[in-house]
Amino acid sequence: NAGVTQTPKFQVLKTGQSMTLQCAQDMNHNSMYWYRQDPGMGLRLIYYSASEGTTDKGEVPNGYNVSRLNKREFSLRLESAAPSQTSVYFCASSGLGSGATNYGYTFGSGTRLTVV
Amino acid sequence: DAKTTQPPSMDCAEGRAANLPCNHSTISGNEYVYWYRQIHSQGPQYIIHGLKNNETNEMASLIITEDRKSSTLILPHATLRDTAVYYCIVRPRAANAGGTSYGKLTFGQGTILTVHP
Repeated sequence: NAGVTQTPKFQVLKTGQSMTLQCAQDMNHNSMYWYRQDPGMGLRLIYYSASEGTTDKGEVPNGYNVSRLNKREFSLRLESAAPSQTSVYFCASSGLGSGATNYGYTFGSGTRLTVV
Repeated sequence: DAKTTQPPSMDCAEGRAANLPCNHSTISGNEYVYWYRQIHSQGPQYIIHGLKNNETNEMASLIITEDRKSSTLILPHATLRDTAVYYCIVRPRAANAGGTSYGKLTFGQGTILTVHP
C-alpha cells in the first residue's frame, strides 16, 4: 500500500551513540517532515523539507540533523544521543502528488527510540 | 499561524454523534482548518479539512462558522474505535517555486475523545 515507511520501528541507544532514522514515501509528495512526540504530549516539529534539495528547522531542531536524499527519502540523524531524545519519532509527507485528492499529511507508524 | 483552542477531553456514547469543537478566532483568510486524530501509539490520521464551506467525507463532517472563528468536527455515529486524540489545526496555504504547497502543521494538545459502550 502507498504511504510513508519508517525504519526502524524500535531502537535502544546508549548515551553518546549515533543513529539515523530512515523515512521513505511513495506518493510523489513534495514535502516531508520529522516530528517527535513525548509521552502525553502533542507532536513537535523537528525539521522539514518543503521540496527536494531544501531543509529547514522546526520547533525543536537541536541535537538533530536531516538529509533530503531525494524526493522519496528524508532521514533524521542523532549524532550523539541523549536521554532527553527518548521519544516516538514520526515522519510525514504532504503536497501535490500523483492521484492526491487531499492535501493533508500522511504519517508513518513511528520509531520508538529509547536512550539509556 | 493561528492558534486553536480545544477542550482537553470529551465523552460520547457509542452510536451517538460526537461533536468536537475548536476555536480559532485569529484565523486569517488563507488558512485552512484541518482535523487529524491519533489512535493510541499510531501516527496521526487525516480526517477532513475546509476553508469556509462545510465539508463531509466518509469519516466525518466539518462545520465552519460564517466568521470562520470556530468549527465543529462531527462523527455521526461514534464507535469504540473512534476513541482517540483529535487535533484541530489551522494551516496556511503558501505558494512556492515548485507550485502550490501547504504550510507545515503545528499540533496542539488536542481533545481526548472517549467513546463508551
